[in-house]
Amino acid sequence: QAQLVESGAEVKKPGASVKVSCKASGYTFTGYYMHWVRQAPGQGLEWMGWINPNSGNTKYAQKFQGRVTMTRDTSITTAYMEVSRLTSDDTAVYYCTREDTTLAQGAFDIWGQGTMVTVSS
Amino acid sequence: DIVMTQTPLSSPVTLGQPASISCRSSRSLVHRDGNTYLSWFHQRPGQPPRLLIYKISNRFSGVPDRFSGSGAGTDFTLKISRVEAEDVGVYYCMQGTEWETFGQGTKLEIK
Repeated sequence: QAQLVESGAEVKKPGASVKVSCKASGYTFTGYYMHWVRQAPGQGLEWMGWINPNSGNTKYAQKFQGRVTMTRDTSITTAYMEVSRLTSDDTAVYYCTREDTTLAQGAFDIWGQGTMVTVSS
Repeated sequence: DIVMTQTPLSSPVTLGQPASISCRSSRSLVHRDGNTYLSWFHQRPGQPPRLLIYKISNRFSGVPDRFSGSGAGTDFTLKISRVEAEDVGVYYCMQGTEWETFGQGTKLEIK
């Protein structure tokens, strides 16, 4: 069955960068956009952007432009999301999620388990 | 950016009773293609969200029929006809018409 498996928890110092991976399996990786959503402790969901795994095209939420980079490696069906210049406000669980546009825009039907990123000096 | 506002933020309900969550967008979610991309998600503590409803009223595969979605334009509602214990958690609406934006979330808890 289709699934997304994310990399493990990270602890980073302020100013550093973090790169989270999302391994897709059980479906055609290049056939579905991959989105990234984050959730600060005790807070709601925040959309960060997407990558088209087929073309490599990306779209980032305005808040993250210039600080977030989404990439993919089709040979290993893995998507990546890197955040630079980390601050304590970036402490959150980061989720990758597949969008099934055959259903609808915003139909995020499969989610990774989440990667906890902690930013602390 | 389109702002999504959910009410209430917290909803204590009795098992077996109905529950309703409202979601309002700051402008119409009707896309130029004629569709309205409004989804609902449910998140239990410590778990990722799961898709319940897409395009206002379409239940995702495996979602019980006690869940229903309705609305149009800027006003949308998620209803649970009879709340079960497994329904506790936080519910989010999300618009996919212009970029993506989530509501703040509504916490459903049992009285």
